[in-house]
Amino acid sequence: GAVVSQHPSWVICKSGTSVKIECRSLDFQATTMFWYRQFPKQSLMLMATSNEGSKATYEQGVEKDKFLINHASLTLSTLTVTSAHPEDSSFYICSAPPIASSTDTQYFGPGTRLTVL
Amino acid sequence: ILNVEQSPQSLHVQEGDSTNFTCSFPSSNFYALHWYRWETAKSPEALFVMTLNGDEKKKGRISATLNTKEGYSYLYIKGSQPEDSATYLCASTSGTYKYIFGTGTRLKVLA
Repeated sequence: GAVVSQHPSWVICKSGTSVKIECRSLDFQATTMFWYRQFPKQSLMLMATSNEGSKATYEQGVEKDKFLINHASLTLSTLTVTSAHPEDSSFYICSAPPIASSTDTQYFGPGTRLTVL
Repeated sequence: ILNVEQSPQSLHVQEGDSTNFTCSFPSSNFYALHWYRWETAKSPEALFVMTLNGDEKKKGRISATLNTKEGYSYLYIKGSQPEDSATYLCASTSGTYKYIFGTGTRLKVLA
């Protein structure tokens, strides 16, 4: 149980285009999902918290107009990187804690490798 | 300590050897410490969540201990196998679901 999928697993795009990444909880519901980013040799860093039915909250230094988050249902959150540039090339991964979980354990997707040319 | 730090960054061990890694975290506002096992191209797999000082948890050949007063946790693998090869991540939380991750320890078990 507690499986999270992410799509696509990798994407290459041209500078200036937008890319959408989907995060789905397959066998549980989540009112909250999290988006992380990892640059080479660095740790996973929280970018934003996605809240079902309401606006996402962004960490300091993360541009909300560049990284659009939509959490339209209890099983799906999307991250859209708008007008992507080479510096946005990174590994993006989502996570979710099941509703009514007795711990704060989060379950992660397998991640998406984004390369912007 | 202000960040979560893991050591070593990487290590190679022979099959059958036992090994351990360290995770250091801020001891103030501590709520829980999480260990994950992350194989390439797969989702990180939750191993342990630990909250109490002195906690010790075990899952097969893998075990972990927690010292919240001094802010560290050890992960032990007994009799390493090639399938244990992965990156082991720890993350500290202060009860807000906000994970602070270390950079991980990359383990390679040689057959």
